[in-house]
Amino acid sequence: DAGVIQSPRHEVTEMGQEVTLRCKPISGHNSLFWYRQTMMRGLELLIYFNNNVPIDDSGMPEDRFSAKMPNASFSTLKIQPSEPRDSAVYFCASSLGQWDTEAFFGQGTRLTVV
Amino acid sequence: SQQGEEDPQALSIQEGENATMNCSYKTSINNLQWYRQNSGRGLVHLILIRSNEREKHSGRLRVTLDTSKKSSSLLITASRAADTASYFCALSARQLTFGSGTQLTVLP
Repeated sequence: DAGVIQSPRHEVTEMGQEVTLRCKPISGHNSLFWYRQTMMRGLELLIYFNNNVPIDDSGMPEDRFSAKMPNASFSTLKIQPSEPRDSAVYFCASSLGQWDTEAFFGQGTRLTVV
Repeated sequence: SQQGEEDPQALSIQEGENATMNCSYKTSINNLQWYRQNSGRGLVHLILIRSNEREKHSGRLRVTLDTSKKSSSLLITASRAADTASYFCALSARQLTFGSGTQLTVLP
C-alpha cells in the first residue's frame, strides 16, 4: 500500500476562497483523522471518522470548516471562506482500529491563505 | 487537558549519547504512543505502550509508563545524527491527542 495519500501537498489561496483538502486512507483502515499543525498550537485534532461516520468533530474550529467521508477510501476537509489564520499544515491519518491503535499519517498539505 | 506535555521542549546531544524525553498527562488513558516527525514530513509511529504495561522496547527505543504518576519516558540509546527530529507523545483516550513535542538535535 502507498500509505495515506493527501493532495495537494501545497496550496496557496486568497482570503475568502474555498479550499478543499483531500485524503485517501490506507485500504482496510476504518478510522480517519484530520489534524492541523501550527507552531503556536501544535497538533490539533479537528475531526475523527470511524467507518465513514463522524464520531468527534469537537475540534473543528468553526462553521467555515467541514469534513466529509463519502466512502471508505476518500475524505475531504473544506474551508469556506478561508482566512489567513487558517494557514497551517493539515494532516490526515488513518488506523485499523479506533483511537487506540497506531495511526499512519500522510505527508500533509501546507496551506497558505494570503 | 487531554494533551500530554513533553519535557524538555528541546534537547541537543552528541552522537552516541542517550536521549531521554518525558511526557506527563492528566487524564486516564488506554494507551500512550510515541511518534517522530522529521522536518516537513508527516508523523511516524514509533511505539505503543498499553496502560497495563510498564516498559517496552523496540530496537534502540525504550519506553516506560507509570500510570500512578501519569508519566511516560522515551529513551533513545546510542543516538545517531539521523535521529534528529521532533518526538511527540500521543494519548489514547476516546481520541488520539498529541503533546507539543520535543525537538531533538543529535550533533555528529
